[in-house]
Amino acid sequence: QSVLTQPPSLSATPGQKVTISCSGSSSNIGNDYVSWYQQFPGAAPKLLIYDNNKRPSGIPDRFSGSKSGTSATLDITGLQTGDEADYYCGTWDTSLSWVFGGGTKLTVL
Amino acid sequence: QVQLVESGGGVVQSGTSLRLSCETSGFTFSSSGMHWVRQAPGKGLQWVAFITFDGLTKWYAGSVKGRLTISRDDSKKTVYLQMNSLRDEDTAVYYCATDGPHRDIDSWGRGTLLTVSS
Repeated sequence: QSVLTQPPSLSATPGQKVTISCSGSSSNIGNDYVSWYQQFPGAAPKLLIYDNNKRPSGIPDRFSGSKSGTSATLDITGLQTGDEADYYCGTWDTSLSWVFGGGTKLTVL
Repeated sequence: QVQLVESGGGVVQSGTSLRLSCETSGFTFSSSGMHWVRQAPGKGLQWVAFITFDGLTKWYAGSVKGRLTISRDDSKKTVYLQMNSLRDEDTAVYYCATDGPHRDIDSWGRGTLLTVSS
């Protein structure tokens, strides 16, 4: 049972926009910055979004993040087959632990 | 560029001990906090432990507190995870990762697989 709640799976077609939600509480998302991670099968996770809505160098602007209160979202526009991956949100919790969402498996049909 | 290389995984029996290592390069290790994150087969990411840049503060996930110990050796640019009283549920790929400057976990190693069998 993850502290942060994400939909287990989402599917969309190429070119569409998809939104992945991440719900937490006042002790985590409501209290700190949210980051997002992309993980392809058999590979290590990769930082996709930090500080709620900033992209590291090299991340396309098709990926964007936002946060409101105790929830955060990751938007992917102009969906591509290469975006098919698992996506995780994460943040610090006031219990002095880092917490992840359970992950969302994105399928691009 | 940042490189993190984990080692020490393998197949071990439950109840035994093991130490994972993560050798680093490409950044100022002595200025960076470090994390261990694990992923059980077919499951999501689970944060395990964090150590501050100076090694003075260590935080652990509740499920591993008292059994796992994170440490670092700045002279070797290496972070360790000592794992005692291993359980079947410790079976996972273990990743080491850097604590980013933006309240994130920014660089990740490729991971090392630990299988605990009873």
